[in-house]
Amino acid sequence: DTAVSQTPKYLVTQMGNDKSIKCEQNLGHDTMYWYKQDSKKFLKIMFSYNNKELIINETVPNRFSPKSPDKAHLNLHINSLELGDSAVYFCASSQGPSFEQYFGPGTRLTVT
Amino acid sequence: GENVEQHPSTLSVQEGDSAVIKCTYSDSASNYFPWYKQELGKRPQLIIDIRSNVGEKKDQRIAVTLNKTAKHFSLHITETQPEDSAVYFCAANSGGSNYKLTFGKGTLLTVNP
Repeated sequence: DTAVSQTPKYLVTQMGNDKSIKCEQNLGHDTMYWYKQDSKKFLKIMFSYNNKELIINETVPNRFSPKSPDKAHLNLHINSLELGDSAVYFCASSQGPSFEQYFGPGTRLTVT
Repeated sequence: GENVEQHPSTLSVQEGDSAVIKCTYSDSASNYFPWYKQELGKRPQLIIDIRSNVGEKKDQRIAVTLNKTAKHFSLHITETQPEDSAVYFCAANSGGSNYKLTFGKGTLLTVNP
């Protein structure tokens, strides 16, 4: 009964490729997020969705496009991957803006 | 926008000692301040949070204090144990855009047995 799940857990790909990461939560939360954690462990928000509507887009390159088909899913598609995209990407969800965020297990993306 | 500063970046203590991590924030409208613990290779998990109408909150060996006037909040861990070793992140929401949590840069806590 995993609360927030992500697939895949590891993703190794070459520069220029397009890849997607999927996220699902079974907590009934209205709000979902994507975070990027770089090699220095900085956790930086990328996107926030509430009820399938984009709320926050934090100066993320257009190559990153989130999609929320329903409240339980928030996927991340990345076009034309670059070396600097290598990081761990975390999906999270919460019942509201100022409540606990539940993180997924993370997807380690390595671009070679 | 909100800016969260966290210190120290690394902290090493002996088992049984106390550990204190401090954070400052810039947005006076922020009203929610969580702390997350991230063990190596794992996901961040909430350990304690505090809202602006409270000055202190305690949960067993963990406590958080908030000084709204000075715009700083601190995490206190007493009687540290080796399993407390992890990266700890403070965070603050944004008053104008409450859907955003801004995280501090993290503190690597090492508890030596």
